[in-house]
Parts: sequence; structure tokens; C-alpha cells
Amino acid sequence: DTGVSQDPRHKITKRGQNVTFRCDPISEHNRLYWYRQTLGQGPEFLTYFQNEAQLEKSRLLSDRFSAERPKGSFSTLEIQRTEQGDSAMYLCASSLGAALHEQYFGPGTRLTVT
Amino acid sequence: AQRVTQPEKLLSVFKGAPVELKCNYSYSGSPELFWYVQYSRQRLQLLLRHISRESIKGFTADLNKGETSFHLKKPFAQEEDSAMYYCALKEDTGRRALTFGSGTRLQVQP
Repeated sequence: DTGVSQDPRHKITKRGQNVTFRCDPISEHNRLYWYRQTLGQGPEFLTYFQNEAQLEKSRLLSDRFSAERPKGSFSTLEIQRTEQGDSAMYLCASSLGAALHEQYFGPGTRLTVT
Repeated sequence: AQRVTQPEKLLSVFKGAPVELKCNYSYSGSPELFWYVQYSRQRLQLLLRHISRESIKGFTADLNKGETSFHLKKPFAQEEDSAMYYCALKEDTGRRALTFGSGTRLQVQP
């Protein structure tokens, strides 16, 4: 499978714990995006990387959230001190550098905070 | 701030009937508009974008700047069109983020 992959696919954690998700983009894609989707809503943008540089961050991304893309390949999204409101599907997408290239989405990581 | 509105959570039609999924947006510039689709147990994927002016799987969408709409249409629905459809907007500012609507579930009954 040469598409965007995400790991884990499901994560159940207790409130207050830290969690980390990983995204592996399509290999030649230099742009990587994180979105969050709650039940009944569309995806909401969280952050965007071009290569290893984090170029955009949403106001939704509180200081408990941090994302990295250290070598411009895979990315991690960490949530510290999880809250029940963090329960959602976390989606990763990647695209080529040219403006017209579409974003290809991964299968998502479903987080449940109990 | 930009906003995308999809007024219908669920649209149920019979096979062969015409389909129109509504999408309205609020944005002061010249956005790029997209339709994404998610079939059952599959990932979100691009269906079409307004600048391409294509027909994909029989679906078309026209950007109406006067009405700030980008409705998705298909003259004859098929059962395999049943899916979740999301309208999305990209600003003309150079930002890469997509702003999605809340989605419409299309159910095509036999």
C-alpha cells in the first residue's frame, strides 16, 4: 500500500495521559497536514508542514498539542494531559509541493479518552 | 473567518433520481472549492475541484460566486454513490489548510 498510513488506528487512553500518533505520508510528498474530526463534523485543520518546517498552526491547536516532522518524512502528533474533549478521529494528509496537487488522506487514528 | 455550510445531514434518493448536494460558503476572497467523498470503510478522497471543471463519476459542481455556492449534482444516482460527501474550501491567501463543511450523507435506495 503506497498511500498515507497512520499508526495506531485506534487508541484508548485515560484522561491525563499523553498519547502520540504517527503519520507516514506518500513518499514523494513534501507537504503534510493534520486534521481532527469529531462525530458529525467535517475535518478541522490542525497544522501543516512543508518538509520539516511547521508553517501553519490552527488556533484549535492548544499548547497541549505538539507536532513534529523531524526529517521531512514521517510526522508525529502528541497530545499531553489528554482530556475527554480530545476524543476524535485524527487524520493525516499529504500532498506534492505544487499548488494544484490534492491532499491524500490517511485512514485516521481514532482516539477515545475515558 | 471562512465558513462552509452543508445544510443537509442526510439526503435519501432512489436509484435513477437526480441528486443535488448543497454547499454554501462565506469568504471574501476568491476561494478554491472541492468536494471530497468517503465511502463506507474507506478513507476520505477527492471527488472533484472547481478549477478542473470535470465530471467525475457523473458528478459535476459549478462555482457560483454570486450565490457563494458550490452544489454537487448528478442527473441519475446509483447505489454505489451512497457515501459521505464533504465540501471544502481553500483560501486564496497561500494558506494550505482546507476548511470543511459538516458533510452530507447520501443514501441511494434501490
